[in-house]
Amino acid sequence: DTAVSQTPKYLVTQMGNDKSIKCEQNLGHDTMYWYKQDSKKFLKIMFSYNNKELIINETVPNRFSPKSPDKAHLNLHINSLELGDSAVYFCASKDPLSGNTIYFGEGSWLTVV
Amino acid sequence: GQNIDQPTEMTATEGAIVQINCTYQTSGFNGLFWYQQHAGEAPTFLSYNVLDGLEEKGRFSSFLSRSKGYSYLLLKELQMKDSASYLCAVRPHSGNTPLVFGKGTRLSVIA
Repeated sequence: DTAVSQTPKYLVTQMGNDKSIKCEQNLGHDTMYWYKQDSKKFLKIMFSYNNKELIINETVPNRFSPKSPDKAHLNLHINSLELGDSAVYFCASKDPLSGNTIYFGEGSWLTVV
Repeated sequence: GQNIDQPTEMTATEGAIVQINCTYQTSGFNGLFWYQQHAGEAPTFLSYNVLDGLEEKGRFSSFLSRSKGYSYLLLKELQMKDSASYLCAVRPHSGNTPLVFGKGTRLSVIA
């Protein structure tokens, strides 16, 4: 069973569209994150959630709106997609019992054309 | 700001030993992590250091010196499957602070 799972894995869409990426973790962790990895492979934090509450928003444009219906889910909705949004988006959750190690989902490859 | 530096690329021979260095300057320190990322896949956790010294885990070891803001990942008996990017990451503060990642070192293992 995949511990952190996200869908879809691949997404190709046109500029201006709205899309969502879903993430679920079955590890019982309280804290979840969204990271963005650009074409240069630089992995950068976007949002942190703890027990469904937003705790960190790293100056991400407000076209990006995370939603956490419960602590096992953290979805990412993106409005009015732009070419520069093309990247890999990784969901992750934090295990407080192993040195606060972060475990990543498989990634969602978003291409905006 | 947070700054984490590591070499962009390295090449090593199958069966050899390679050391990937990482230096960091962060607003605080609450642990250093190494992740492996194969092309087209998610990063996977390799090791964690919070105290100075060497942590050994099979063919992989990670070293930390907090006073020098320095870590390295040592890979022994290199195999072709070790060709991947290796990401150094620091947690600047305790609690729910996210990891700050370096840009990764792409390691190529050649025959």
